[in-house]
Amino acid sequence: EAQVTQNPRYLITVTGKKLTVTCSQNMNHEYMSWYRQDPGLGLRQIYYSMNVEVTDKGDVPEGYKVSRKEKRNFPLILESPSPNQTSLYFCASSSREPFVLTFGAGSRLTVL
Amino acid sequence: AQSVTQLGSHVSVSEGALVLLRCNYSSSVPPYLFWYVQYPNQGLQLLLKYTSAATLVKGINGFEAEFKKSETSFHLTKPSAHMSDAAEYFCAVSAKDFGNEKLTFGTGTRLTIIP
Repeated sequence: EAQVTQNPRYLITVTGKKLTVTCSQNMNHEYMSWYRQDPGLGLRQIYYSMNVEVTDKGDVPEGYKVSRKEKRNFPLILESPSPNQTSLYFCASSSREPFVLTFGAGSRLTVL
Repeated sequence: AQSVTQLGSHVSVSEGALVLLRCNYSSSVPPYLFWYVQYPNQGLQLLLKYTSAATLVKGINGFEAEFKKSETSFHLTKPSAHMSDAAEYFCAVSAKDFGNEKLTFGTGTRLTIIP
């Protein structure tokens, strides 16, 4: 089944404790992206990647890092999480043409 | 630069009534336009997309949307609402200028169906 898989789905952590949210897709998509969803703000792009070793900032990159060493994986790294990073995070991927995002199920992160 | 405005963060309609969710966009290049639906505790699912072919686009679950360039709109409609349509709906725009793909989302409209 074609899908985007995120882990963990739920996580409660404390300020400053590094964490990684993994994202993997099995569709051989070149493009991958991370979004965060907050009430009243919709989805805002954090980082995206056009292909392996090619990443770029989205609208809200502060406090996050990403890497794209393999085509299928695009982990989101929070080096020193803070409470304002409490949010629902979505990973998504797409082929270049047509450009249609397939989303993961989401990862709900709480930073205390 | 591109942006999306969804009018009405909450919309309530009676079961069997017309559903109309409004979306206006801004884009400096010819846009791709999308509607996504998010059911409770789930990810986003594509409802339909406009990619410069027919201006009236049909999607899943009986939804459709019409691209109106003169009004910069891409409103979502369904003739008869069903209880299962209760969800949050997001309009999104993507610049057609490949090489810097970015999907910009609106803030969402929560649709409630009244029995």
